[in-house]
Amino acid sequence: DVKVTQSSRYLVKRTGEKVFLECVQDMDHENMFWYRQDPGLGLRLIYFSYDVKMKEKGDIPEGYSVSREKKERFSLILESASTNQTSMYLCASSPIMQVLSNQPQHFGDGTRLSIL
Amino acid sequence: SQQGEEDPQALSIQEGENATMNCSYKTSINNLQWYRQNSGRGLVHLILIRSNEREKHSGRLRVTLDTSKKSSSLLITASRAADTASYFCATGGGYQKVTFGTGTKLQVIP
Repeated sequence: DVKVTQSSRYLVKRTGEKVFLECVQDMDHENMFWYRQDPGLGLRLIYFSYDVKMKEKGDIPEGYSVSREKKERFSLILESASTNQTSMYLCASSPIMQVLSNQPQHFGDGTRLSIL
Repeated sequence: SQQGEEDPQALSIQEGENATMNCSYKTSINNLQWYRQNSGRGLVHLILIRSNEREKHSGRLRVTLDTSKKSSSLLITASRAADTASYFCATGGGYQKVTFGTGTKLQVIP
């Protein structure tokens, strides 16, 4: 069965810290995604990657960076955490997009991050 | 930018009743997907309907798509307490990234 694993379910960090959120998938998927989910705003795409070392900005990339050194691992980095980055972070993966087709995404269980 | 908007935002029904959720979107799409999210968990893909399809079934789920009205509906028949969750539509346009709506929170009362 498909598995996307996020390293922490809950995380508490302080303002100004550098924060790493890790995501690993075991399905050999080419695409990986990072979203944040806030009440009333739904899921918003931060960054995605369609191949190793490749990354594309999503809708809200400011304050974040990503790293994809291996196909199975996609890391989200908060360079200098701020309180407005307190949120639920969701990682997802999907097989490569074919023309005119979006494959279903497989999600991890999320990391609830609190910045104090 | 949000592409899909679900309606209603929240829905409460008795077990055994049918639940209908609607999704409206703004630009042309190649397909539309529905996902479920249980409280505190990630999203789970339910069903995908392509732009050239009008209706699709999967178990107790029935999805319709009206591209002329830019809308879709998800019907859950004979609901169960275990169907309590948030439901999201997601629109995709081929090479475009998938964009999620804000969700409908469904409560099924036993």
